[in-house]
Amino acid sequence: QQQVKQSPQSLIVQKGGISIINCAYENTAFDYFPWYQQFPGKGPALLIAIRPDVSEKKEGRFTISFNKSAKQFSLHIMDSQPGDSATYFCAASRGGNNRKLIWGLGTSLAVNP
Amino acid sequence: DTGVSQDPRHKITKRGQNVTFRCDPISEHNRLYWYRQTLGQGPEFLTYFQNEAQLEKSRLLSDRFSAERPKGSFSTLEIQRTEQGDSAMYLCASSLNLDSPLHFGNGTRLTVT
Repeated sequence: QQQVKQSPQSLIVQKGGISIINCAYENTAFDYFPWYQQFPGKGPALLIAIRPDVSEKKEGRFTISFNKSAKQFSLHIMDSQPGDSATYFCAASRGGNNRKLIWGLGTSLAVNP
Repeated sequence: DTGVSQDPRHKITKRGQNVTFRCDPISEHNRLYWYRQTLGQGPEFLTYFQNEAQLEKSRLLSDRFSAERPKGSFSTLEIQRTEQGDSAMYLCASSLNLDSPLHFGNGTRLTVT
C-alpha cells in the first residue's frame, strides 16, 4: 500500500505560473514532511521540509502548505522557471527518521519557456 | 566538490555476475544510507550505517546483497549473482545525524542483461 500518495504524476506549467503538487498521508504519527527535487541523472536533493507545528513554510519561491486535519501537504512553486523542470518527491517520516522515510511516487514537472 | 560521490556512474553486467559499488560520503557525516530507485518510484531504503556499524537492513536486501563500511568512511555495496530485477539506480546518501537532511550522491545505474 502507498502510505504517501502524490499527485499529479506529471505537470506542465508555463513560465511564470504556479506549480502545485499535492501529497496525502495515512499515518497520523508522521511528523516530518520533506520535499526532494531530482534532476535527470542526479540524486534527490532536499528542497524544503515542514513539521506539523506550522501550517506553512516558505523558502524563496517554494512554499509548503500543511493541513494536519486533512492529512495533506502540498508544494507550491511560484513564478515557475524552466530550470525548475525536474521530478519532485514528497516524503514523510516519524521523528524525522531518515531510515523510515516513506516516499511518494514523484511528480514530473515541465516548465515551458 | 565535497558532496557524496559514487562510483561507477553506470554498470552493465550479465546476469549471474557480481558487482560492487562504492560510495564516499561527506567527510563529517557518520550516517550513511543505501537506497534503490527504479523508474517512476521514489528511493527505497536498503541499509544504514552509523560509522562502521550496519544498524539496519531492509527486507528488500536479499542475501545476495552485502554492504560494508569498514573504517566508517567509504562504503561498498556488493550484489552477488545479479538478476535482471536488480536493474535500478543505487543511491547512496549521508547525513550528520539521524534526523539531519539527507545528502544524496548521483547514484550508480545498474543494468543487468
